[in-house]
Amino acid sequence: AQKVTQAQTEISVVEKEDVTLDCVYETRDTTYYLFWYKQPPSGELVFLIRRNSFDEQNEISGRYSWNFQKSTSSFNFTITASQVVDSAVYFCALIEGTYKYIFGTGTRLKVLA
Amino acid sequence: DAGVIQSPRHEVTEMGQEVTLRCKPISGHNSLFWYRQTMMRGLELLIYFNNNVPIDDSGMPEDRFSAKMPNASFSTLKIQPSEPRDSAVYFCASSLVDRGGNIQYFGAGTRLSVL
Repeated sequence: AQKVTQAQTEISVVEKEDVTLDCVYETRDTTYYLFWYKQPPSGELVFLIRRNSFDEQNEISGRYSWNFQKSTSSFNFTITASQVVDSAVYFCALIEGTYKYIFGTGTRLKVLA
Repeated sequence: DAGVIQSPRHEVTEMGQEVTLRCKPISGHNSLFWYRQTMMRGLELLIYFNNNVPIDDSGMPEDRFSAKMPNASFSTLKIQPSEPRDSAVYFCASSLVDRGGNIQYFGAGTRLSVL
C-alpha cells in the first residue's frame, strides 16, 4: 500500500536557523507525484510544490528548497534562515492513481523569535 | 481567480441538526474534493467529483453524510443528523485532473462544532 511518513511530529527552532522537514514515502508505482503543503495557524492548506518521479533535480524557491531522492524514497523540505511566519504544519503527500492524495501526518514547525 | 471559496467558515450546531457546507471551486477546474481533518485521523478524503459526477465516495463515513454537485461551480456537503463526533474542519479542494499529478487547491475550510 502507498504510504507517507513524516516522523517528526513537532520541531522548534529559533529564528534564522535552518530546518529540514523529513518525508519518506512508499509506492509500487513507477510514475508518481509528491507534494508539500503548508497549513498556517489560520487553517488553510497552501500548495508549495509538486515533484514527479522522473525529475530528481532539487528545487529552490527563495528560502525553501526540496531534496528528492528516489534511492531513499525521500522528499525532504528545507527552510533556510527560518522566520516566525514559517510557523505552520507542513504536510507531505503522494498521489495514488490520478487523483487520490495520501497525506502524511504532518510536522508542526514552531519558529521562535 | 478568487480561489476555492467555502462557507460558512465556522458552524456551531446542536446534535441532531442538519448542517450544510458549501463550496465554490476554481473556475475551469473539472474536479472537486471534500476532505475532513481531525487530530485523530488527519486529512481524510470523503468524496471526489469529476465533471460534477461522484467518482469515489468510499470515504463518506455513513449515510448521514451526503454530497452534491449540481453544476461546475457549486457543491454541498450535508450532514443529517449531525453528531458530536462530526466535529472537525471540512475542506473543499478543486483541481484540473487529467493524466495524473493534479495539484489540488484548497479552500479555507469550515470548522464545524456539534454540541
